[in-house]
This record gives sequence, C-alpha cells and structure tokens, in this order.
Amino acid sequence: AQSVTQLGSHVSVSEGALVLLRCNYSSSVPPYLFWYVQYPNQGLQLLLKYTSAATLVKGINGFEAEFKKSETSFHLTKPSAHMSDAAEYFCAVSDRILTGGGNKLTFGTGTQLKVEL
Amino acid sequence: NAGVTQTPKFRILKIGQSMTLQCTQDMNHNYMYWYRQDPGMGLKLIYYSVGAGITDKGEVPNGYNVSRSTTEDFPLRLELAAPSQTSVYFCASSYGSRNTEAFFGQGTRLTVV
Repeated sequence: AQSVTQLGSHVSVSEGALVLLRCNYSSSVPPYLFWYVQYPNQGLQLLLKYTSAATLVKGINGFEAEFKKSETSFHLTKPSAHMSDAAEYFCAVSDRILTGGGNKLTFGTGTQLKVEL
Repeated sequence: NAGVTQTPKFRILKIGQSMTLQCTQDMNHNYMYWYRQDPGMGLKLIYYSVGAGITDKGEVPNGYNVSRSTTEDFPLRLELAAPSQTSVYFCASSYGSRNTEAFFGQGTRLTVV
C-alpha cells in the first residue's frame, strides 16, 4: 500500500514569506500525488496533482510542488504567503483498492498553515 | 454544476441513536467514498463503492453501513451511535483511475453525546 507522511502538523509564516509544506511518500510503484487545501468549515479542494508528466507542477493560487524521486518527496511551496492562504493542507497518494480495480486517495495527517502579519 | 452534495451539514445525536448521512453527485462518477476526519489524523476511508450495487469496506468500517442503489447516491448509515463516531464526515467521488482526483462534499459535522 502507498502512504504519505507530512512533516509538521503546524507551520507559521509571515505574510510575504516563503511557504514550504513537506510531504514524503512511500510507494512500490511510481506514485501519483495530490495536494488538497481545506479552508475552515469547508470540504477539500484540489490544489495540484503529479501524474508523471512534468516534475514541477503548478497549481491554483500560486502554489507549486516538485516531485523528487531521489528524495521520495513532493513538497508544496509558494513564494509569498498571503493571509488568505491560512488553511489546512493535505498531501495524498493514489492507492489501489481491492474491489473494482480502481483507486482511492490515501491522505497524510495534514499541516495547518498560519499566516501572520 | 453542484458536484458532490452532502446533507445535513451539522447533527447532534444521542448515544444509541441512528442516522443516515446523505451524499449525491452529479458528475456520473462510478467511484464514491466516505471518509471521516479527526483532528491530527487526516482522513480515513470508511467505505467505498465502485458502482451501483458494489460496495466494500475501507480502513475504519465498524459501526457504519452503506448502500449504492444508483450511480448518484451513496448514503452512509450509522447504527447505534457512539461517542467515538463524533467526527467530520466527507463524501467524495471520482473516476477511480490513478491519475484522477476525488471531488469532495462540504462535510457533515456529527457530534454524539
């Protein structure tokens, strides 16, 4: 089974500073990886996904992530944080399910991003 | 386009009561999922379905049941509610292939007292 680990359950940055949220994966096959964002009292919204094309993936709201096979990592970055980026961020990997031959998402434990003035 | 719709948004149950969380999607996805989200734990898969009439257990199925009579609907049933089922529940749907994302509903916040 595939899995992801998110280092740091809480990250705090100043407005305008670099955002770096860490995600490492464990997979026996080339992984397909996703980042989701969850604003307070909302569902999860897709930020970006890696599906074995370009290793640098650009997403919505100025976020991007780089797939590094040698480091088994898929860290999420944004050059300049904005107050509106305060949310919880989840890394996920596509994982095979037993029934039907399809896939599900297996999530990390999440990182709460706080943006301070 | 509504996407994935969950009802209710909030609910308080007493121990031992039962309820059904409703989920419907209008994207014609075959795959549907129920997750629960607990603080610091991420999302755990409760049940999933790969099409009408086909369901299977996820990581944490105890205390729950599901059915899938149509492509659109995937209700989650809680029987004999327990405090351990206090959580936020998310329904999601997808095409089920490796490179496709899941689309999530807004969630149901359930408290069992």
